[in-house]
Amino acid sequence: GESVGLHLPTLSVQEGDNSIINCAYSNSASDYFIWYKQESGKGPQFIIDIRSNMDKRQGQRVTVLLNKTVKHLSLQIAATQPGDSAVYFCAENKVDSGYALNFGKGTSLLVTP
Amino acid sequence: DSGVTQTPKHLITATGQRVTLRCSPRSGDLSVYWYQQSLDQGLQFLIQYYNGEERAKGNILERFSAQQFPDLHSELNLSSLELGDSALYFCASSIRGGLSIQYFGAGTRLSVL
Repeated sequence: GESVGLHLPTLSVQEGDNSIINCAYSNSASDYFIWYKQESGKGPQFIIDIRSNMDKRQGQRVTVLLNKTVKHLSLQIAATQPGDSAVYFCAENKVDSGYALNFGKGTSLLVTP
Repeated sequence: DSGVTQTPKHLITATGQRVTLRCSPRSGDLSVYWYQQSLDQGLQFLIQYYNGEERAKGNILERFSAQQFPDLHSELNLSSLELGDSALYFCASSIRGGLSIQYFGAGTRLSVL
């Protein structure tokens, strides 16, 4: 079925290292992808988005890569900091669902000193 | 702070009861989305409103209903509550109903005892 899934449920990295969080999607009609960060007790916080006509988009310390050939999305965080510890969700925003978000299960990122 | 306000933060009630969750979108945002987050189902889209009208429905039970008022705030009504309805309920808003960033509130934690 159509789904947005994550390759790894947990990821542990050392402070200062780069982090890569992966996401697979199955609906080739998806045209908009978003990464959110959710800290404990808070709502999802927008990180970065990318449209299907792009392969890469950069933000502050974050980069999202989209590989439409293999239906894969990744979030790269440079120089990971303790404040980056959170659960990260990828989501697809599909035109045929009223622009609602279909979320993946989430990856827990733990940054160790 | 995302600018989306949800009240109450916590709600404890009994099975069979009815509750109302309230959401005030960011200033200028016309679209409101409701999501449910549970441990086993993750973040699930419930319903979307755009400028007072229902735009899309997701996995929303018949016991649940919502509306968006002329001042653009929204309410999610949950009735005949069951233990399984215990979850975090998030509201998100976006400036329009299309491909635009959704900003999430801090959520309402519902506990049905």
